[in-house]
Amino acid sequence: DAGVIQSPRHEVTEMGQEVTLRCKPISGHNSLFWYRQTMMRGLELLIYFNNNVPIDDSGMPEDRFSAKMPNASFSTLKIQPSEPRDSAVYFCASTVALGTIRETQYFGPGTRLLVL
Amino acid sequence: AQSVAQPEDQVNVAEGNPLTVKCTYSVSGNPYLFWYVQYPNRGLQFLLKYITGDNLVKGSYGFEAEFNKSQTSFHLKKPSALVSDSALYFCAVSSAGGSYIPTFGRGTSLIVHP
Repeated sequence: DAGVIQSPRHEVTEMGQEVTLRCKPISGHNSLFWYRQTMMRGLELLIYFNNNVPIDDSGMPEDRFSAKMPNASFSTLKIQPSEPRDSAVYFCASTVALGTIRETQYFGPGTRLLVL
Repeated sequence: AQSVAQPEDQVNVAEGNPLTVKCTYSVSGNPYLFWYVQYPNRGLQFLLKYITGDNLVKGSYGFEAEFNKSQTSFHLKKPSALVSDSALYFCAVSSAGGSYIPTFGRGTSLIVHP
């Protein structure tokens, strides 16, 4: 298995531009998470999906952020418009058996976003 | 509001010795507790999770964590440290009766010396 796949691995953009981050979860996993990591704010869980449905987006920082999961093998995190304070590493993770003792999240390599 | 404290920015231990990375939490109601690890060259990984049941939770790579409700702690332990355990460790908590979205600690850097 290829693991969780994220693209792009690195993104440099200018303030005001739209940014789309992509994630392909492990085949068979039915829950997907989006995390953000910055020096200032540390590690944060932004949103998670179960069976393609957003369950809790209370971690999403602002309306500029949106996430979708149109099918079981693909999710996007979009920032529009982007701002310099959005610069961070964004991780995607997937798992089965959400909320049970068998839950084990597998993380992608992350997308390093720099907004100038 | 929920919060997590990792009181040590850095923990140093000799290879072969037992290690403990401390975590205390505050949450309304019963907690869900998590440990994550971030290796320099292997990215972020989920180590273990406490939901309910046994206070001792076993996770990956020989790690375990003990849930102590009276002390509101969830310390991460390993009987014998390896140099390859050197990494950044994060503790997190969420409320069993509320949002699953956890609050993370700032992280503890574990350095295992040969």
